[in-house]
Amino acid sequence: AQKITQTQPGMFVQEKEAVTLDCTYDTSDQSYGLFWYKQPSSGEMIFLIYQGSYDEQNATEGRYSLNFQKARKSANLVISASQLGDSAMYFCAMREGPQARQLTFGSGTQLTVLP
Amino acid sequence: DTGVSQDPRHKITKRGQNVTFRCDPISEHNRLYWYRQTLGQGPEFLTYFQNEAQLEKSRLLSDRFSAERPKGSFSTLEIQRTEQGDSAMYLCASSLVPGVGKLFFGSGTQLSVL
Repeated sequence: AQKITQTQPGMFVQEKEAVTLDCTYDTSDQSYGLFWYKQPSSGEMIFLIYQGSYDEQNATEGRYSLNFQKARKSANLVISASQLGDSAMYFCAMREGPQARQLTFGSGTQLTVLP
Repeated sequence: DTGVSQDPRHKITKRGQNVTFRCDPISEHNRLYWYRQTLGQGPEFLTYFQNEAQLEKSRLLSDRFSAERPKGSFSTLEIQRTEQGDSAMYLCASSLVPGVGKLFFGSGTQLSVL
């Protein structure tokens, strides 16, 4: 089974509107971490937001928020007030276990912000 | 703090040749990672260093791949006898312990094997 599933290969959003990028995960660990990264065309992966499995509140970082639904094993990224510069590939990733060293990434969602 | 630096940005080689990539992590970061990313996919973990010790290797890392991190500073990733299937973006990342494991990535080295 896929550890991280991103079912939206591509998404379009109008500038200044909000958009939700979906991510579901699969793990039997009780302790895990969920991450979202942005990859613009330049190639560099940019950290956006982190949610720990024991965190009771949804994580927020500026215009980014993570809609964490533990029972459904989903960790959707919400971008508010989209900007043209938000056009990029977005990856959801998971670290399984408190001592894990590696991240497992999904296949990504290409977001295009329309003017 | 100049971020994670990777060199070269692009490498074109012929099948069977050896190639070496370099990664300079953020200076105070003691953890260093190599990932590989093929077109349309997310990065896949290759190997992990804590200081100079290579503590974890993916089964994706065949015997033709070797990585080093002498003195716990920069790291090199060498691929011997390259194959066309090695064509990919090779990403280096670093992180600081303690922390939640947030990785800081370089811009990658794009390898094309002809």
